[in-house]
Amino acid sequence: EVQLLESGGDLVQPGGSLRISCAASGFTFSSYPMSWVRQAPGKGLEWVSGISGPGYSTYYADSVRGRFTISRDNSKNTLYLQINSLRAEDTALYYCAKVRGYYDTGGPDYWGQGTLVTVSS
Amino acid sequence: SYVLTQPPSVSVAPGKTATIICGGNNIGSKNVQWYQQKPGQAPVLVIYDDSDRPSGIPERFSGSDSGNTATLTITRVEAGDEADYYCQVWDSSTDSGVFGGGTKLTVL
Repeated sequence: EVQLLESGGDLVQPGGSLRISCAASGFTFSSYPMSWVRQAPGKGLEWVSGISGPGYSTYYADSVRGRFTISRDNSKNTLYLQINSLRAEDTALYYCAKVRGYYDTGGPDYWGQGTLVTVSS
Repeated sequence: SYVLTQPPSVSVAPGKTATIICGGNNIGSKNVQWYQQKPGQAPVLVIYDDSDRPSGIPERFSGSDSGNTATLTITRVEAGDEADYYCQVWDSSTDSGVFGGGTKLTVL
């Protein structure tokens, strides 16, 4: 059974930084691309970032490029998102998602329950 | 950047057919995914690659994709289908994922 467990969400001041994590199990983690998707309170889904299975290729939404960094440790079956220069509009539930298939361009097929990042002074 | 447009809401009576559209420039050339999200829950994949259903998704859910419109069709709608539905594609011009704004399906 695929399981994705996010952690690390917190209340952070504007301009601050945070690293959130996603522990994966139930599949061969290194074989699959992964994504982060966020959802602001009461709003829709927003794709944030993606990473290839080996970790060599990374992708970002324009809204976060230059501030967010996605990475993975395949030896620990863990996905990360380093979030810098936080803004109020980054407040959201951040979902970790496994990509269906082996291509980086696929859509998510399994999702975690999310970790909440709140940006406020 | 690539934009996916969905109607904010769709209403349907139980037992009838619900149709949710997702508009995008030449979306017919892209692989479209559809997700169902119920309040307080993570999204669930209901259609991938335009028209394929993951295991465990009822046959009542189907998808199509042509021209500038992708469509999610739910036949014999049940109360349990009430949820937000999102379409999603990969935009190869910007190498990024894109979600539609979501459609709230209300079962009357």
